[in-house]
Amino acid sequence: DVVLTQTPPTLSATIGQSVSISCRSSQSLLHSNGNTYLHWLLQRPGQSPQLLIYLVSRLESGVPNRFSGSGSGTDFTLKISGVEAEDLGVYYCVQGTHAPDTFGAGTKLELK
Amino acid sequence: EVQLVETGGGLVQPGNSLKLSCATSGFTFSTAWMNWIRQTPGKRLEWLAQIEDKSNNYFISYLESVKGRFTISRDDSKSSVYLQMNNLKEEDTAIYYCTWSLAYWGQGTLVTVSS
Repeated sequence: DVVLTQTPPTLSATIGQSVSISCRSSQSLLHSNGNTYLHWLLQRPGQSPQLLIYLVSRLESGVPNRFSGSGSGTDFTLKISGVEAEDLGVYYCVQGTHAPDTFGAGTKLELK
Repeated sequence: EVQLVETGGGLVQPGNSLKLSCATSGFTFSTAWMNWIRQTPGKRLEWLAQIEDKSNNYFISYLESVKGRFTISRDDSKSSVYLQMNNLKEEDTAIYYCTWSLAYWGQGTLVTVSS
């Protein structure tokens, strides 16, 4: 199965600070159909995960544009340009290119 | 509004069975590919099973480690998806979510396997 390695495991930020989370895959996530099925989820405390970004860089409806995703092949990044209090929680990358779908271990974003 | 509501979780002894249900509304369930995903006590997320729609002959896929113990099914007339879990083990303890396309998740139902 594909292993997704997220770094850092924990991220401390102040409000307004820009931060990045890395997700590295054990295999290329470029599908033979040309799509790259790498997505990002946020799980706020006490809530179910929610989809933030799909197909590497596409913003899910209703997600603020301070979130952005980039990358290709095996290396991907989620960036938050100006952290807000509501952004605190655990971020997961997930891949759907190679069955079965697999998830990163998560990056916890907390307030400094 | 899309809604997914899981029920059926609880405390069960190792070796026993449990059936989870997920009732949905707010979207065309009959054409949706539905999934079960669980979150362990350590917060790790794990995809378990997917069932496709009628046009794809309700094709089913499982995580290898639960194949033979877990069975996913659906009832399009009730807009519901199910997960039958047999021979449960302590490591199956988790919150179980049903999801549609990763964009929509239920609130989850807690399954605890313990003697």
